[in-house]
Amino acid sequence: AQSVAQPEDQVNVAEGNPLTVKCTYSVSGNPYLFWYVQYPNRGLQFLLKYITGDNLVKGSYGFEAEFNKSQTSFHLKKPSALVSDSALYFCAVRPPFVKAAGNKLTFGGGTRVLVKP
Amino acid sequence: NAGVTQTPKFHILKTGQSMTLQCAQDMNHGYMSWYRQDPGMGLRLIYYSAAAGTTDKEVPNGYNVSRLNTEDFPLRLVSAAPSQTSVYLCASSYPEQGRVRNEQFFGPGTRLTVL
Repeated sequence: AQSVAQPEDQVNVAEGNPLTVKCTYSVSGNPYLFWYVQYPNRGLQFLLKYITGDNLVKGSYGFEAEFNKSQTSFHLKKPSALVSDSALYFCAVRPPFVKAAGNKLTFGGGTRVLVKP
Repeated sequence: NAGVTQTPKFHILKTGQSMTLQCAQDMNHGYMSWYRQDPGMGLRLIYYSAAAGTTDKEVPNGYNVSRLNTEDFPLRLVSAAPSQTSVYLCASSYPEQGRVRNEQFFGPGTRLTVL
């Protein structure tokens, strides 16, 4: 069975400083990895995904994530955080194509990011 | 495109009552799914449908779905229990065969309280 861990319930960072949100996963085979963000009172929005290829993936709003197979990690990063980045961030994984699995995602517990001015 | 829409936004139920949460998408996505979101638990998959006419469940009890067409994927709480108090999120995406490895699009959610 696949699983995702986000070890930090909350991350606090000052505006302009680098932001990192950690994610580790467990899945059989080569994973498909995703990051989503949830702003207050809104649905989840897709940020970026890793499927194959370059380990550094760039996404929306200046975010990027690095896939590390040996450490089974997919940490989300942003070089310079903005107050507007304050939100709830979710990491998700799904196994490679298995017909019966459809597009089922397994999510981590979420990390709340608070960026202070 | 409206994307994924959900109604109602909020609702309060009494234990034992039934209710249907509505979800619709206008992107011609084959795959649709329902998750519940609880604090600290992330999102947990309840039901999914790979195409119109097919459904599969992840959570054994308390929920039911139908997928009569591509656009709609309603979730029914058969006899509501306080443990079903949660935020329910509906999502859609292209099926694996048609658009491999695509991200899911989420609706704004329904916040449900069962007293």
